Amino acid sequence: GIQVEQSPPDLILQEGANSTLRCNFSDSVNNLQWFHQNPWGQLINLFYIPSGTKQNGRLSATTVATERYSLLYISSSQTTDSGVYFCAVLTYSGAGSYQLTFGKGTKLSVIP
Amino acid sequence: NAGVTQTPKFRILKIGQSMTLQCAQDMNHNYMYWYRQDPGMGLKLIYYSVGAGITDKGEVPNGYNVSRSTTEDFPLRLELAAPSQTSVYFCASSRDRGRAYEQYFGPGTRLTVT
Repeated sequence: GIQVEQSPPDLILQEGANSTLRCNFSDSVNNLQWFHQNPWGQLINLFYIPSGTKQNGRLSATTVATERYSLLYISSSQTTDSGVYFCAVLTYSGAGSYQLTFGKGTKLSVIP
Repeated sequence: NAGVTQTPKFRILKIGQSMTLQCAQDMNHNYMYWYRQDPGMGLKLIYYSVGAGITDKGEVPNGYNVSRSTTEDFPLRLELAAPSQTSVYFCASSRDRGRAYEQYFGPGTRLTVT
């Protein structure tokens, strides 16, 4: 099956710093989602981004499907950005069905 | 809309016990999913459903069963709980299939089997 690798696995930032999280995938995908799992375990949709660039406030994401990677940018980080960021890719699994495959995540800690 | 809801939030089971994890969505989504998340890992698909009466296995289905009698509900059944099923379980739903679908997740159920 498809492999999804995220880097770095852990990241510690001073509040106000910027960061870039990377997601590499091993095969063509139909789509890609970025999630934030907050310290309480809730998964929050950030971006649904098969290609190109999207922005939402201090966060933006870029997917280059032809080169099989996606980047998540966090600018002016805040302590509330702490948590785990997951990349998940959508692939066709047969019989008209599509499935999400998750990476292992990047754990971000933002310190005041 | 409440979105995707799950009950219970937490549960402790003894080895060999059975239980049902409940999941409901009020967005009229056709597709529903069950995932498990083990510590330090991403989510893995257990079962999914493309509509009422239709279910199929995901990556890690062993030890679980599902049913989908209505569009809204998608319960997950554990028949003989084992310590390996200690995990956090997430239910998700999406509007449609194909390229243009985005999954929305419930808050999760933390299950411990001892």
